This record gives sequence, structure tokens and C-alpha cells, in this order.
Amino acid sequence: GAGVSQSPRYKVAKRGQDVALRCDPISGHVSLFWYQQALGQGPEFLTYFQNEAQLDKSGLPSDRFFAERPEGSVSTLKIQRTQQEDSAVYLCASSLGVLAGGPYEQYFGPGTRLTVT
Amino acid sequence: AQTVTQSQPEMSVQEAETVTLSCTYDTSESDYYLFWYKQPPSRQMILVIRQEAYKQQNATENRFSVNFQKAAKSFSLKISDSQLGDAAMYFCAYRTEGGADGLTFGKGTHLIIQP
Repeated sequence: GAGVSQSPRYKVAKRGQDVALRCDPISGHVSLFWYQQALGQGPEFLTYFQNEAQLDKSGLPSDRFFAERPEGSVSTLKIQRTQQEDSAVYLCASSLGVLAGGPYEQYFGPGTRLTVT
Repeated sequence: AQTVTQSQPEMSVQEAETVTLSCTYDTSESDYYLFWYKQPPSRQMILVIRQEAYKQQNATENRFSVNFQKAAKSFSLKISDSQLGDAAMYFCAYRTEGGADGLTFGKGTHLIIQP
């Protein structure tokens, strides 16, 4: 596709519900990143995939957060038993990855705004 | 761990004037990349400019330029001839060399353009 797309753009969940956020990276991009952006803050790294392999999940705030990219393309970020502190914008970014050389620019999607009530 | 600090929560500039946004960072690495991203209200993060730490020459992209001071760990963004469309949140970001790491962002500077 022309850019990184994310769906849904907005999600309202009641506390305790599970949610799934989808990211469609740019076609051919090897690397995929998830970030969490709280209101008035900069994005914070959550996890990183190279193709289907999750190489870094050090930023996931708890074991309620789970991400997958089973075929090395589309990725899903799942949050179980949502809490109010999970309310944030979740950004996905993709890049050509380490094999391409160069500065590995990350291209961002528009984000999903999650509100937990 | 690397940290990025943006000490200006908000900046205001008259249209057509020049403004400089500040950024400092802390790292023990010698090779890394620095970026400035723009985030308009639509939330789409857009890359404005990037700098490779091994390059001494400051990066320039049209009206945007940086002042990269490696020893001082400073990376400021200068916007010349400010335009209404420049109004947005600006984030400074750091990444280690290699590409396999996520970006470390500052808290951002809200840039207001006065017509």
C-alpha cells in the first residue's frame, strides 16, 4: 500500500474488555514497530518485529499486552483485560529493515486512539 | 539507557520568521541516528529531518536545518520562513546504529505559528 494503515482509528473499551489493534505496514517492509503515546507525551517503544520474529518486547508494560505478526506482514497488538491506564494512542511504524542498509527510516501510521472507560 | 530531552513544551513564532527548537540527549554510544518528527493534529508522524552521528555536516532539508553538536549531545532544529502549515508537535528522536531498535522520543515541543 501507499502507507502504513491502522484500524480502527478509534476504540472505546470498557475496563476489563479485550481489544485488538491492527497494523498494515508498507508492502515489503521487513521491520515493524509498535509505540504507545500517552496524552501530551512522546511515543514510547513497545515491541519490534523483523518479519514474523518478535525480536524485542522489552517495552510491553505488562503481560496483558501481546503482539503478533504471524506471516511477516500484518501485525496485531492485543490488550487483555484493559485498564484505564491503557488509554493512549497506539502507533505502528514500519521500515525496510536492517537488510536494506542506510538509516532505516520508520514510516508511521495514523494511530489508534484507545479510550478505556 | 538513552534519554532525549526537549526543554521547551511550547514555542511561538510569527509567520515568515525563524524559530529554533532545542533537543539534548544522553547516550554512551558513538554511532547513532537523530531525527526530528512532526506530528500535526491528525496524528500522522512525519519525518522532517535526520542526522547520522558520524557525519560532521549538519543536515538540511529545504527550510529545515539542524545544529548537531556531538560533544555537547545537542541536536536543535531551525525552521526558517515559518509557515502556517508548520504548526504541529515536534519530536526529537534517537536510535542506535543498526536499525533494529525502536526510537527513543522526547516529550515534544508544541509549535504555534502566529499569522
